[in-house]
Amino acid sequence: GAVVSQHPSRVICKSGTSVKIECRSLDFQATTMFWYRQFPKQSLMLMATSNEGSKATYEQGVEKDKFLINHASLTLSTLTVTSAHPEDSSFYICSAFGGAVDTQYFGPGTRLTVL
Amino acid sequence: QKEVEQNSGPLSVPEGAIASLNCTYSDRGSQSFFWYRQYSGKSPELIMFIYSNGDKEDGRFTAQLNKASQYVSLLIRDSQPSDSATYLCAVIHGGGSNYKLTFGKGTLLTVNP
Repeated sequence: GAVVSQHPSRVICKSGTSVKIECRSLDFQATTMFWYRQFPKQSLMLMATSNEGSKATYEQGVEKDKFLINHASLTLSTLTVTSAHPEDSSFYICSAFGGAVDTQYFGPGTRLTVL
Repeated sequence: QKEVEQNSGPLSVPEGAIASLNCTYSDRGSQSFFWYRQYSGKSPELIMFIYSNGDKEDGRFTAQLNKASQYVSLLIRDSQPSDSATYLCAVIHGGGSNYKLTFGKGTLLTVNP
């Protein structure tokens, strides 16, 4: 199998607060994890690629100081949205590379609402 | 820039019909090809993968790959309303530290009862 979990599944926070989202590969080790954002009725947008033990690689236009990524182990990556604003409200999805078929397996996603 | 192109749809088919989803890719060196399904409000899930030219069947799903034409497709036989979703084509190119999985923008499929 290739199961990826995310926590929390849904979060509502006030503007200006920080939110941490965890992504875990449950039954395989993932040297590389990915973070995506998806707005309603739009395509997945890759935000950053996270490699275990090294700094994340951010896509163009994604603020690295706002979206802090830590990949401390082969099974855990975290995304922290700092000083969240209403425009950060979105569906955040992580994925992990590996598993029985070498491809990306997605977590169930975290729906963030910033008031 | 490695690209994966899909018709955004929507593709609408009646229940029981064959749905045909198509994808083209720009990197001739690509070796691995995947189809993901994404229901509205959910994250994508892997449904098929194919590495070799030809057809690969799994239940009602058939993936077809033609590397010479840089074309990969997904056929869904006996389409059901529960198949209504966005289907994402994905292609791996590069390897090792240069690995990259590129997604198409997806095709929205609607199966009408």
